[in-house]
Amino acid sequence: GAVVSQHPSWVICKSGTSVKIECRSLDFQATTMFWYRQFPKQSLMLMATSNEGSKATYEQGVEKDKFLINHASLTLSTLTVTSAHPEDSSFYICSARDRAYTDTQYFGPGTRLTVL
Amino acid sequence: KNQVEQSPQSLIILEGKNCTLQCNYTVSPFSNLRWYKQDTGRGPVSLTIMTFSENTKSNGRYTATLDADTKQSSLHITASQLSDSASYICVVSQPTGNQFYFGTGTSLTVIP
Repeated sequence: GAVVSQHPSWVICKSGTSVKIECRSLDFQATTMFWYRQFPKQSLMLMATSNEGSKATYEQGVEKDKFLINHASLTLSTLTVTSAHPEDSSFYICSARDRAYTDTQYFGPGTRLTVL
Repeated sequence: KNQVEQSPQSLIILEGKNCTLQCNYTVSPFSNLRWYKQDTGRGPVSLTIMTFSENTKSNGRYTATLDADTKQSSLHITASQLSDSASYICVVSQPTGNQFYFGTGTSLTVIP
């Protein structure tokens, strides 16, 4: 089955630093990857949609200069939280849409970010 | 407006009992409907996927049904186990574009 990995699985950083999270599709090509944010006991919130080779599309209210997304290849997308602050602490999940089966997305295991 | 609603919002059941979770949607056009299980601190994992022509699909103790006419789906869990405690999310997708519509989820707690 289709597998999506995320790295790191958890990260703790100091306020003001930047953190990069990687999302990889391991056994399929993903033309589109999605980045979600989830607070405790809440639903997944779509932050942005990234298409390989083009700029990401951000949801309303998501600062694109703060959450930098790069989708340089068909198997890798990265989310960089710049100048992180404690309120950015959250669970970040990516998903990838299979190039061959475009109406299906596969989720990564998530990354827990804690900003001190 | 394309929406997905799930009920109940939360549910507590005794180990060994059965339960049914509901998902109603207004998404059109429709491609497929997936039920995901999300354990705390983990990404969602797909349980079942159903297309327009499918009425029932099983995955072990999980059985999903779909009524495309009434736009309703259910997830039935048989002989619940403590490990079934999780959030269950219904996601409806369209044939084209990047639109996936998420339900707000049902939080299931199975107690001994």
